[in-house]
Amino acid sequence: DAKTTQPPSMDCAEGRAANLPCNHSTISGNEYVYWYRQIHSQGPQYIIHGLKNNETNEMASLIITEDRKSSTLILPHATLRDTAVYYCIVRVAGLGGGADGLTFGKGTHLIIQP
Amino acid sequence: DSGVTQTPKHLITATGQRVTLRCSPRSGDLSVYWYQQSLDQGLQFLIQYYNGEERAKGNILERFSAQQFPDLHSELNLSSLELGDSALYFCASSVLAGTGNNEQFFGPGTRLTVL
Repeated sequence: DAKTTQPPSMDCAEGRAANLPCNHSTISGNEYVYWYRQIHSQGPQYIIHGLKNNETNEMASLIITEDRKSSTLILPHATLRDTAVYYCIVRVAGLGGGADGLTFGKGTHLIIQP
Repeated sequence: DSGVTQTPKHLITATGQRVTLRCSPRSGDLSVYWYQQSLDQGLQFLIQYYNGEERAKGNILERFSAQQFPDLHSELNLSSLELGDSALYFCASSVLAGTGNNEQFFGPGTRLTVL
């Protein structure tokens, strides 16, 4: 799986959009970008994933650059409960894609300020 | 609530002992994963089972083993415990295996303390 680079920490004001960047310059054509988050010592929680098109769900939006070398997770209206460590993970797609174990880096610690 | 349950929530034991952690996946999920989260190593994938068969191994020590039973629940066995095995152990489940387009649902974890 491709390596990802994320800033170690970020602050965001409550009610504002939180934009979390991720670099994955060695991503392959068959690799998806996944985002998970972990709220203090709880189990990680899936947020969103995408291959090359922008994606949106009830939690967040995922913007992937055209060359797929980087992406941004957007939490449109951050609340205090969004304070967590956010992990950007790149994984091989497709049936028979090998082991499914997720490789977590250090992630970005997002702190929402009141 | 992810639908994945883990027992016990907390476990305190001594060095050299053996413990068993239990995981029940979400209803309908065939794949179970085990992860370890320690302060120095971060969140690491240990092992994956799919429909009762071992599918993949990550950074799992030889002292650790796992199995998945016919009812799809899984157990992680940790033996000859060392102080460094103190960690949070998470179980996750997913519907399928071997596909990238496949989110994992994590349980609340078991906190193991080895004294």
